[in-house]
Amino acid sequence: GENVEQHPSTLSVQEGDSAVIKCTYSDSASNYFPWYKQELGKGPQLIIDIRSNVGEKKDQRIAVTLNKTAKHFSLHITETQPEDSAVYFCAAGLYGGATNKLIFGTGTLLAVQP
Amino acid sequence: DVKVTQSSRYLVKRTGEKVFLECVQDMDHENMFWYRQDPGLGLRLIYFSYDVKMKEKGDIPEGYSVSREKKERFSLILESASTNQTSMYLCASSSHSTYGYTFGSGTRLTVV
Repeated sequence: GENVEQHPSTLSVQEGDSAVIKCTYSDSASNYFPWYKQELGKGPQLIIDIRSNVGEKKDQRIAVTLNKTAKHFSLHITETQPEDSAVYFCAAGLYGGATNKLIFGTGTLLAVQP
Repeated sequence: DVKVTQSSRYLVKRTGEKVFLECVQDMDHENMFWYRQDPGLGLRLIYFSYDVKMKEKGDIPEGYSVSREKKERFSLILESASTNQTSMYLCASSSHSTYGYTFGSGTRLTVV
């Protein structure tokens, strides 16, 4: 079945360093790749997404890259701050379908040390 | 501020009880979803609905059912709660046009 693998499961960085989280998807038909941030006690929130017609998208300190051939996509956070500490989920889905179902990765716990 | 509201943040139920988890969205979204979140397993889809009275099984539907009688409300039902259903339950909604999910804050269910 459809599957999204996410690595690493935990990541600890020093404040100001960069953090990279990687995901691999199995369904080659997937064309929509969002990233969600879940803070303690809250539901996941969409922070950035990318569609398969572009290879990279950036929003301030956050960027996402996509390699459709290899079925890989990654989240890059630069100049990390303590408030970036959270669980991050990648997901893959088929944009434009009636149901818009997403398959999620298993999550990465990011800890930014002051 | 648009939102998805889950009726309870914390619930404690006994084994064998019938449990209802309620979710309401105010964004007129067509699609609604129920996920459960467990450490190391991420978010797993239980059921989803793309229209009123329509429902589709997700990856782990066993032991659950759903109801969507109105567009804004999607209920998850545990017919006979078991301890292995202790988990965080997340409701989400999305539109056919915008696609991105909006999640509720979650219900942490403990079955004793």
